[in-house]
Amino acid sequence: EVQLVESGGGLVQPGGSLRLSCAASGFTFSSYAMSWVRQAPGKGLEWVSAISGSGGSTYYADSVKGRFTISRDNSKNTLYLQMNSLRAEDTAVYYCAKDAAAGTRDYFDYWGQGTLVTVSS
Amino acid sequence: DVVMTQSPLSLPVTLGQPASISCRSSQSLVYSDGNTYLNWFQQRPGQSPRRLIYKVSNRDSGVPDRFSGSGSGTDFTLKISRVEAEDVGVYYCMQGTHWPPRFGPGTKVDIK
Repeated sequence: EVQLVESGGGLVQPGGSLRLSCAASGFTFSSYAMSWVRQAPGKGLEWVSAISGSGGSTYYADSVKGRFTISRDNSKNTLYLQMNSLRAEDTAVYYCAKDAAAGTRDYFDYWGQGTLVTVSS
Repeated sequence: DVVMTQSPLSLPVTLGQPASISCRSSQSLVYSDGNTYLNWFQQRPGQSPRRLIYKVSNRDSGVPDRFSGSGSGTDFTLKISRVEAEDVGVYYCMQGTHWPPRFGPGTKVDIK
């Protein structure tokens, strides 16, 4: 059974940093690209960042480029999102999501439960 | 970037009756490999999103057959043949054909 478990969320001041983690199990982690998708309170879904299965390629939404860094440790089956220079508009539940099929545009067949990040003074 | 729109944004439904949600994209979603990467997600209150439909019309494992997807090019539809109480939530379409992946604004389905 595929499981994705996020952690690391919390309250942080504007300008601060936070690192999110997503522990994966139930599939061959290194074979699949992974993404972070966020949802601001009461709002819709926004793709944030993605990383290839090997970790060699990374992608970012314009809204987070230069501030967030996605990475993965395939030996630990864990995905990360380092968030720096946080802003109030980054407040959201952050989900990790798995690509459905390597090498295609088939995305997000499994999601974690999410972790809440609140940026406020 | 591709823009995804949905209608209606709010859909009150009667239990046992059908429901239909429309999704439109600003560009064709046919990819170079011949597939159309249009997905539908359900988000029940307080839960994570769950994928229901992939590549326009394919149901994910465990999805009841009362859910069906159709469409082509830029126009797509999610249909629920007979709405049940557990179907309450927000439904999102999402395109994966063009980078970056984009979600529609969501359609809130509730019971009349």
